[in-house]
Amino acid sequence: ETAVFQTPNYHVTQVGNEVSFNCKQTLGHDTMYWYKQDSKKLLKIMFSYNNKQLIVNETVPRRFSPQSSDKAHLNLRIKSVEPEDSAVYLCASSPGQYSGNTLYFGEGSRLIVV
Amino acid sequence: AQKVTQTQTSISVVEKTTVTMDCVYETRDSSYFLFWYKQTASGEIVFLIRQDSYKKENATVGHYSLNFQKPKSSIGLIITATQIEDSAVYFCAMRETSNMGYKLTFGTGTSLLVDP
Repeated sequence: ETAVFQTPNYHVTQVGNEVSFNCKQTLGHDTMYWYKQDSKKLLKIMFSYNNKQLIVNETVPRRFSPQSSDKAHLNLRIKSVEPEDSAVYLCASSPGQYSGNTLYFGEGSRLIVV
Repeated sequence: AQKVTQTQTSISVVEKTTVTMDCVYETRDSSYFLFWYKQTASGEIVFLIRQDSYKKENATVGHYSLNFQKPKSSIGLIITATQIEDSAVYFCAMRETSNMGYKLTFGTGTSLLVDP
């Protein structure tokens, strides 16, 4: 049963446009994440928030910016998209920062940049 | 830096048989957690099973079990009595307990096809 909701599920846009992905979790978790999955299925973390605070910020281009209004929401904005941004963006949450916590994933938001 | 390697890109088995997927990892931490996740054709990623590095017993959940060989930095996933619906991509992942422990690092995945 899905408890991490992402919108939109699919988005096609042109190079240079801005796009935003939204994520909401109803699990009451404190920690949320954005992962990028490329065409080879490789999953890489981009950002992580704990109780609205940014705790992980991997080396991603500056056109990517996360936003968290509360611990249940984590959005991802991409200013001026590039072709290499085409990927599936996966939102996830976990009860907290404890390393043993399981991540719960949303169904992903597929971005196609033309 | 932590690293997770899955060398098998794809495996094909016949239904009701047992399959083992390999995973090796690199870490400097003495304490860490190892996970296996499954990604279905729809793209959904679900957690399957976890092994805590300080536990000697292999974790087991349903028809999933782990073969944890700490000296070899290896954590294999064993699926017994495979079913058609086990067809998916399986990811091995690791999370250290150091201050970089917020990151779950994934392997490249192994695609499993279960044929009738």
